[in-house]
Amino acid sequence: DTAVSQTPKYLVTQMGNDKSIKCEQNLGHDTMYWYKQDSKKFLKIMFSYNNKELIINETVPNRFSPKSPDKAHLNLHINSLELGDSAVYFCASSQASAGGYWNEQFFGPGTRLTVL
Amino acid sequence: AQSVAQPEDQVNVAEGNPLTVKCTYSVSGNPYLFWYVQYPNRGLQFLLKYITGDNLVKGSYGFEAEFNKSQTSFHLKKPSALVSDSALYFCAVRPYGGSQGNLIFGKGTKLSVKP
Repeated sequence: DTAVSQTPKYLVTQMGNDKSIKCEQNLGHDTMYWYKQDSKKFLKIMFSYNNKELIINETVPNRFSPKSPDKAHLNLHINSLELGDSAVYFCASSQASAGGYWNEQFFGPGTRLTVL
Repeated sequence: AQSVAQPEDQVNVAEGNPLTVKCTYSVSGNPYLFWYVQYPNRGLQFLLKYITGDNLVKGSYGFEAEFNKSQTSFHLKKPSALVSDSALYFCAVRPYGGSQGNLIFGKGTKLSVKP
């Protein structure tokens, strides 16, 4: 199936650990995103990558680092995890149109991160 | 500051009745407006968008939304609600000229449709 996939679906870890979340899209899109959804369901963009270049970084702590080996993958690596990092992380992708980025984004199923 | 407001945390509707989920925005210039739906333990799914043209936009699952520039609103509507429409609905805006792909999301409105 064509889709945006994320692994793992659930991630439980201790404070201070380093973890990664993987994202892959087979939609042929050229832009990928990471969002954080907190316990109140508030959704905020963290990063996006277009053609392997970071184009958004919304005041996210530098403990978070996106890595894109190719335009079909955008992984999220988190160093020194903190309690406040507990959230659901969504990957998304879209295809940029000439002159703008108004095409809809396709979301993955989410990764629920719990930091103990 | 540019923002999106969804004034209702929850909307309750009886099955078969019309539904409206409200959204207002505050951005510079002409916005691109979107509605997404999130079912429990799932990612967001695109419903519809307004870029330009006809103010009434039709989308997936029988939903539609009306862009009202003077009221800076983009309310989501459906003539006849289904129990399966129960979910969390997000309005989002990409400010014209904003960072590529940068969407500002509202806080979400939980729609509950009772049989």
